[in-house]
Amino acid sequence: QKEVEQDPGPLSVPEGAIVSLNCTYSNSAFQYFMWYRQYSRKGPELLMYTYSSGNKEDGRFTAQVDKSSKYISLFIRDSQPSDSATYLCAIPPLDRGYNKLIFGAGTRLAVHP
Amino acid sequence: DTGVSQDPRHKITKRGQNVTFRCDPISEHNRLYWYRQTLGQGPEFLTYFQNEAQLEKSRLLSDRFSAERPKGSFSTLEIQRTEQGDSAMYLCASSLAGRVVDTQYFGPGTRLTVL
Repeated sequence: QKEVEQDPGPLSVPEGAIVSLNCTYSNSAFQYFMWYRQYSRKGPELLMYTYSSGNKEDGRFTAQVDKSSKYISLFIRDSQPSDSATYLCAIPPLDRGYNKLIFGAGTRLAVHP
Repeated sequence: DTGVSQDPRHKITKRGQNVTFRCDPISEHNRLYWYRQTLGQGPEFLTYFQNEAQLEKSRLLSDRFSAERPKGSFSTLEIQRTEQGDSAMYLCASSLAGRVVDTQYFGPGTRLTVL
């Protein structure tokens, strides 16, 4: 079993839709949860991260963590064609004091006008 | 541009050849990571440097792979006797230590194709 699982999609939605992206993880010791966005032929860029359970909002993006079910989500409101990218969840185990990241497979999102 | 840069952006080589990639991190960043990303997968951790010290190597990094970060600045990743299975995107990321979770800034990657 992979430590972080993510449905690769692809996911295609119309402009303005609410998008829900999800990951599950296996290790209950994980504390930080990150979402990266990767445009085609580019490196990933950090969107936001959360600590422990709860919600965090940043503009049209909301990250949610449910530690009881080991489930993390990213919601995108009022999706735009510029949101078309691959979204990667990532978790730093932090067992050695630095941030090597464990990534999910990424979900490819297409927002069409 | 003061972001992370990688060179070359693309490399096509024949099986059995050696290749070397370079990563230039953001100048004040003391942490540097290498990842490998294959098609349809997320990046996988390869190795980590704190300044010039290589502190962790993944089991993915066979003895054909070597990485260096002389003087704690740029880093190189060399693959000897390349195999077709080495074809992937090689990503470099840098960050500044100081918080529990430091933000990693990724370069654009080097896409390696082994024929």
